[in-house]
Amino acid sequence: DAKTTQPNSMESNEEEPVHLPCNHSTISGTDYIHWYRQLPSQGPEYVIHGLTSNVNNRMASLAIAEDRKSSTLILHRATLRDAAVYYCILRDVAGAGSYQLTFGKGTKLSVIP
Amino acid sequence: DTEVTQTPKHLVMGMTNKKSLKCEQHMGHRAMYWYKQKAKKPPELMFVYSYEKLSINESVPSRFSPECPNSSLLNLHLHALQPEDSALYLCASSPPGGKAPGEQYFGPGTRLTVT
Repeated sequence: DAKTTQPNSMESNEEEPVHLPCNHSTISGTDYIHWYRQLPSQGPEYVIHGLTSNVNNRMASLAIAEDRKSSTLILHRATLRDAAVYYCILRDVAGAGSYQLTFGKGTKLSVIP
Repeated sequence: DTEVTQTPKHLVMGMTNKKSLKCEQHMGHRAMYWYKQKAKKPPELMFVYSYEKLSINESVPSRFSPECPNSSLLNLHLHALQPEDSALYLCASSPPGGKAPGEQYFGPGTRLTVT
């Protein structure tokens, strides 16, 4: 399985932008980069995904390096509700129509009021 | 309906008990997953069902027995568990391949305690 490396923890002030880095130097050409987050006492929640180009959605932006060996999740204005563990995952195909997510340790984001 | 529901929310069972966890989704997803999450650790994949057939078993002990009776329902049957099996059990589902590349929808989990 391809692996990802993330910092264990990060802090951000409320209403400031947050850049969460992820290294995935062994990524293959067909691996999608997925980001999930897990708020306290909840199941993981999909945030965003990408393959080669930068992506934006209502929750966040994903910046992917040109060589695809790293990516950065960008939260444009952190709120207290964004305090969570953020997981960067390389998605494998598990079978017909199913996919395998191998979670790494993730980055615990704390947001300071 | 964009929810994955799991019942029960909490379960306490003895090592000789038999119990089942239930997971349901009505989003038309054809892949369903069981994960196990110990405290302060990331989720670990246990089983993957694709079109109601078991496609991945991550070397899970036989005291955990999954079942997918139909495309909306996923069960996890538990028998003769050990205290170290105490964890949060998460269910997830994902749309058929091609519509969204692997986005998984997770339920809130069942908190299992084995005494």
